[in-house]
Amino acid sequence: GAGVSQSPRYKVTKRGQDVALRCDPISGHVSLYWYRQALGQGPEFLTYFNYEAQQDKSGLPNDRFSAERPEGSISTLTIQRTEQRDSAMYRCASSLAGGDQPQHFGDGTRLSIL
Amino acid sequence: GESVGLHLPTLSVQEGDNSIINCAYSNSASDYFIWYKQESGKGPQFIIDIRSNMDKRQGQRVTVLLNKTVKHLSLQIAATQPGDSAVYFCAEKGNYGGSQGNLIFGKGTKLSVKP
Repeated sequence: GAGVSQSPRYKVTKRGQDVALRCDPISGHVSLYWYRQALGQGPEFLTYFNYEAQQDKSGLPNDRFSAERPEGSISTLTIQRTEQRDSAMYRCASSLAGGDQPQHFGDGTRLSIL
Repeated sequence: GESVGLHLPTLSVQEGDNSIINCAYSNSASDYFIWYKQESGKGPQFIIDIRSNMDKRQGQRVTVLLNKTVKHLSLQIAATQPGDSAVYFCAEKGNYGGSQGNLIFGKGTKLSVKP
């Protein structure tokens, strides 16, 4: 597609529920990244993939968070047993292969935990 | 849309003037830097990047300067327009700490252009 597409745009759920956030990267982009952004701050890294391989998950806050990219394209970020502190904007980015390539961001999923 | 400009340093300029946005980065091992523009309700939009083997790079109406000695990055916008109003973030990427993929974002600066 023309840009990184994230769905849903907004997600409201009750505490304790599981949520799955979807990212569809730019066509041909090998690398895919997940970030979380609080109001007034820059995005903070969660995890990233090259193709289907998860290269780094050091930014995931705890084991309730997981991500996958089984076919090297679309990725899903899953949060189990959600808590109110998980409320945030979750952003996905993708880039071409290679070390120094700009990451292009989607418009994010706004997650609200009640 | 959501406001990304809460509690951020603000730079206010007159339309047509040049803008300079500054950023201090954290790690001397970082070797790649990017400037992003973020408007309310949108994701960060790539503006320009620079590698550590350069000290200046120019794009259309924008120039990025890199001073590795003092770990300082700046973004210059020529002939600033109302459409340039947004929050601007610098980001660094380094080959250290076992991670070679993630960007580390600096504190944003809100640019406000007065017509």
